[in-house]
Amino acid sequence: QSALTQPPSASGSPGQSVTISCTGTSSDVGGYNSVSWYQLHPGKAPKLMIYEVNKRPSGVPNRFSGSKSGNTASLTVSGLQAEDEADYYCSSYGGNCNPYVFGTGTKLTVL
Amino acid sequence: QVQLVQSGAEVKKPGASVKVSCKTSGYIFIGYYIHWVRQAPGRGLEWMGCTHRHNGAAEYAQRFQDRVTMAVDTSMNTAYMELSSLTYDDTAVYYCARELDTTKGFDFWDQGTLVIVSS
Repeated sequence: QSALTQPPSASGSPGQSVTISCTGTSSDVGGYNSVSWYQLHPGKAPKLMIYEVNKRPSGVPNRFSGSKSGNTASLTVSGLQAEDEADYYCSSYGGNCNPYVFGTGTKLTVL
Repeated sequence: QVQLVQSGAEVKKPGASVKVSCKTSGYIFIGYYIHWVRQAPGRGLEWMGCTHRHNGAAEYAQRFQDRVTMAVDTSMNTAYMELSSLTYDDTAVYYCARELDTTKGFDFWDQGTLVIVSS
């Protein structure tokens, strides 16, 4: 079972937008509308930012948005703020054989 | 409010087993999946398995199939994950998280339990 592929790092200045990609296969990302994104700050519980490709849980700023095209999902953070600096992981449901798979993770730096 | 509270850090020797608990409150326990995810130092998140809502049936990632056991105690609203035959590579933070169904994402997590495997 292979992890989904994310760029190791991404960066942007405050106020800018940054997009993080998440590439899988037709058996996971491309096959289901079950892509989620998580934000990890050191020492804190991971936080769900996006589910079902493009839905935001209550309390997540609308600066965070998600999309998908084929086997690649994307997380866009608009209007970057210092507190957005964190690690971000995508996840996809992969069906009965490989139920869940995470991405390799992306460290977002706010310059 | 929704809470998931895991048991404390553990230090185990190679070959031993570790059992981590995840006590939940603030929601209907049997209405949600409970997932177990780990993160080794310097590594990414790794899904280990889950217990299904309603019936508590366990489903495991293939790589842990032969040495992990997940279970729930509905009377205590608590989930458990036991990992056996520990190796140094099992040193990691282990998280429990809940999910309503397979598309809704893991919406509540605990801060995790550090398991250190050391001789």
